[in-house]
Amino acid sequence: LAKTTQPISMDSYEGQEVNITCSHNNIATNDYITWYQQFPSQGPRFIIQGYKTKVTNEVASLFIPADRKSSTLSLPRVSLSDTAVYYCLVGDMGTGNQFYFGTGTSLTVIP
Amino acid sequence: DTGVSQDPRHKITKRGQNVTFRCDPISEHNRLYWYRQTLGQGPEFLTYFQNEAQLEKSRLLSDRFSAERPKGSFSTLEIQRTEQGDSAMYLCASSHTGQHNEQFFGPGTRLTVL
Repeated sequence: LAKTTQPISMDSYEGQEVNITCSHNNIATNDYITWYQQFPSQGPRFIIQGYKTKVTNEVASLFIPADRKSSTLSLPRVSLSDTAVYYCLVGDMGTGNQFYFGTGTSLTVIP
Repeated sequence: DTGVSQDPRHKITKRGQNVTFRCDPISEHNRLYWYRQTLGQGPEFLTYFQNEAQLEKSRLLSDRFSAERPKGSFSTLEIQRTEQGDSAMYLCASSHTGQHNEQFFGPGTRLTVL
């Protein structure tokens, strides 16, 4: 399993852009990078996925450098409702590699 | 609501009893996953099914645990002779063919073993 390293926690003020960086030095050629969000007492929710370069959707952007050994999730203009745990995962369930969630990054948005 | 559903949402049982949880995935999803999550930790993979076939089981899934997915629709996870260490949130997820990294999670079943 490709493991990841993320900051345990982060604080941000409302309206700020938040960048959460994840290290995955042992990422395999076929692995994708996927981010999930989890609120207390709920199951995780898919945010974004990428393989290389930059991916953007309606909620976030994902930046992946050429060596793919790290990635950065960018949340624009966070609000209080973005307070959650964010997990970075590497793998490819399409080929049967398990997802390893780790402990994630607990983001607290401050008014 | 056409999301993943789990039943029951909460279960309190005494040590040594058997419990069974049910998961109903999104109807067109062919894969179904079970995870376990304890406080302060991320979800840990237990097992997954493609249609009715159980393709992989984690070492975490001891012989007291069994999962089924008859007919490739809903799934059940049974824990026999529960132990206090089994207390956790049990999460079910499903995914669609070709999009297996985008898993849709249910609300979970919280198990408390007294």
